[in-house]
Amino acid sequence: IAGITQAPTSQILAAGRRMTLRCTQDMRHNAMYWYRQDLGLGLRLIHYSNTAGTTGKGEVPDGYSVSRANTDDFPLTLASAVPSQTSVYFCASSDARGYTNYGYTFGSGTRLTVV
Amino acid sequence: AQTVTQSQPEMSVQEAETVTLSCTYDTSESDYYLFWYKQPPSRQMILVIRQEAYKQQNATENRFSVNFQKAAKSFSLKISDSQLGDAAMYFCAYRSRGATNKLIFGTGTLLAVQP
Repeated sequence: IAGITQAPTSQILAAGRRMTLRCTQDMRHNAMYWYRQDLGLGLRLIHYSNTAGTTGKGEVPDGYSVSRANTDDFPLTLASAVPSQTSVYFCASSDARGYTNYGYTFGSGTRLTVV
Repeated sequence: AQTVTQSQPEMSVQEAETVTLSCTYDTSESDYYLFWYKQPPSRQMILVIRQEAYKQQNATENRFSVNFQKAAKSFSLKISDSQLGDAAMYFCAYRSRGATNKLIFGTGTLLAVQP
């Protein structure tokens, strides 16, 4: 089934530990995104990638890093987790062909709890 | 920078009735896209409806329609004949037209449907 796969589905992580959230898409979309969702704050963009080999910072990038070695994978790494990074993380992709109205495809999310 | 505001954190509607969710946005751009996403308890992000700013006609998808007021920068969602399955968090979102494809979300409105 075409779409986005995120792993893990949920995770409890000790503060100070390193964690990588995985995201893989099979639609050959060129653009990918990471959002975090927090109650009362909606979804906020962490990092994005318009094409393989390039990345950019979103609204809340501090404490997170990403890489885009190929079209399909876009992992998000927390180098040293802190409790404020407790959130639900969504990966998304879009076929950003310039002036088009292609919507986003979202993964099912990763619920991360940092204790 | 563009912003999206949803001023109703929670709404409630009786089954079979009509409800309107509000969304306002701020932008200096003239061409853009607007979206409503639904997030049920499953956490899945589902595109409900989208509107191109250059189109004067309001978008409609079955029981869902929008009232797009470009001059007022308002984009409300009307749900007619509400069903129990409509209960969810609803997010309004904005995207610039062009290669920078990032979605900007509002904080969400939690809709309850009373039987």
